[in-house]
Amino acid sequence: GENVEQHPSTLSVQEGDSAVIKCTYSDSASNYFPWYKQELGKGPQLIIDIRSNVGEKKDQRIAVTLNKTAKHFSLHITETQPEDSAVYFCAASKEAGKSTFGDGTTLTVKP
Amino acid sequence: GAVVSQHPSRVICKSGTSVKIECRSLDFQATTMFWYRQFPKQSLMLMATSNEGSKATYEQGVEKDKFLINHASLTLSTLTVTSAHPEDSSFYICSARGGLAGGRSYNEQFFGPGTRLTVL
Repeated sequence: GENVEQHPSTLSVQEGDSAVIKCTYSDSASNYFPWYKQELGKGPQLIIDIRSNVGEKKDQRIAVTLNKTAKHFSLHITETQPEDSAVYFCAASKEAGKSTFGDGTTLTVKP
Repeated sequence: GAVVSQHPSRVICKSGTSVKIECRSLDFQATTMFWYRQFPKQSLMLMATSNEGSKATYEQGVEKDKFLINHASLTLSTLTVTSAHPEDSSFYICSARGGLAGGRSYNEQFFGPGTRLTVL
């Protein structure tokens, strides 16, 4: 089955700096890669996703890049703000399949 | 984005009782719903996948007789934890996935806010 590894497990940055979280996956048939943000005591919220026919996607301060050959994808957050502090999960799945999640990254943005 | 609700948000029960958690997709038809369990500071663990009108598919190691899942309509799935024990205390999260309507693909999952279950 699919195996997703996520790094780092914790990340601390100063407000205004950039944050990068990386994930690798094992199943070359996976074609959908979402990123979720989870705040304490709440459910995960989809913040951005990318499909295997695209190499990069951007939405304001958030971007995701995908390298299909190397089987890794990354989340980039620029101009970080304290409200970006949360746990971020990456995931991988095939079309209409179930998702496999990474172990999560706790991001702390210091004011 | 699509909205998924869960009820209750928090429940405390005595050991041996059963607890039902509801998951509703409010503005789209969910052909598939997923139930996850999450322990503190850990990732989401998939418990089961349910498709409307058919039996749920449970992940290895999840007792189907203990965690009863019903997906009776395209907007509602329920998880019943039967004869709950303290080790069942956890954060239970559902997610819903619809079809191609509204610009969404089959992949996109939308999560509920979660239910905190505490068994005394």
